[in-house]
Amino acid sequence: GAGVSQSPSNKVTEKGKDVELRCDPISGHTALYWYRQSLGQGLEFLIYFQGNSAPDKSGLPSDRFSAERTGGSVSTLTIQRTQQEDSAVYLCASSPQTGLSGNTIYFGEGSWLTVV
Amino acid sequence: QKEVEQNSGPLSVPEGAIASLNCTYSDRGSQSFFWYRQYSGKSPELIMFIYSNGDKEDGRFTAQLNKASQYVSLLIRDSQPSDSATYLCAVRGQAGTALIFGKGTTLSVSS
Repeated sequence: GAGVSQSPSNKVTEKGKDVELRCDPISGHTALYWYRQSLGQGLEFLIYFQGNSAPDKSGLPSDRFSAERTGGSVSTLTIQRTQQEDSAVYLCASSPQTGLSGNTIYFGEGSWLTVV
Repeated sequence: QKEVEQNSGPLSVPEGAIASLNCTYSDRGSQSFFWYRQYSGKSPELIMFIYSNGDKEDGRFTAQLNKASQYVSLLIRDSQPSDSATYLCAVRGQAGTALIFGKGTTLSVSS
């Protein structure tokens, strides 16, 4: 597609439920990122996929959070047993390659998650 | 833990003035540096990036990098009310590593 596509754009869920957020990166982009942004806060790094390399999961806040990327393209971020503090916008971004010239990342519109 | 620090602001400047936004980073091995702009309720959008020490100009924007001081800045000349947004500094270490963002500086340009 023309840009990074995320779904759902908005999700309201009850505390304790599991949620899945989907990201479809720009075609041909090998790197994919997930970030979280709480209201009025900065971007918190969650996880980074680069090609066939092992993902950098160092930003995942707890074992309730997991992500996978199938076939080097679409990624799913799963939050189990959601808590109210998980309420935030979850931003996905992709980047063409790892070389310096390809370091620019492009963001999707985000998935706004509200846990009630 | 790699850190990127920014003054949260708000930074208030009058229309037509120069706005100066600053960022420091902890990882001395960082190689590439980015400035993103984020309007309220929107996703970040890239303004410019810089890899080498010195200045890089793009229109009204100038990025400045000093690796020895681990400092990167963004100057906005002839500031306009439409420049009012949050400016995010982002830093990448070695190639193939994650891009880490600062918390952003809120800029307000008054007409």
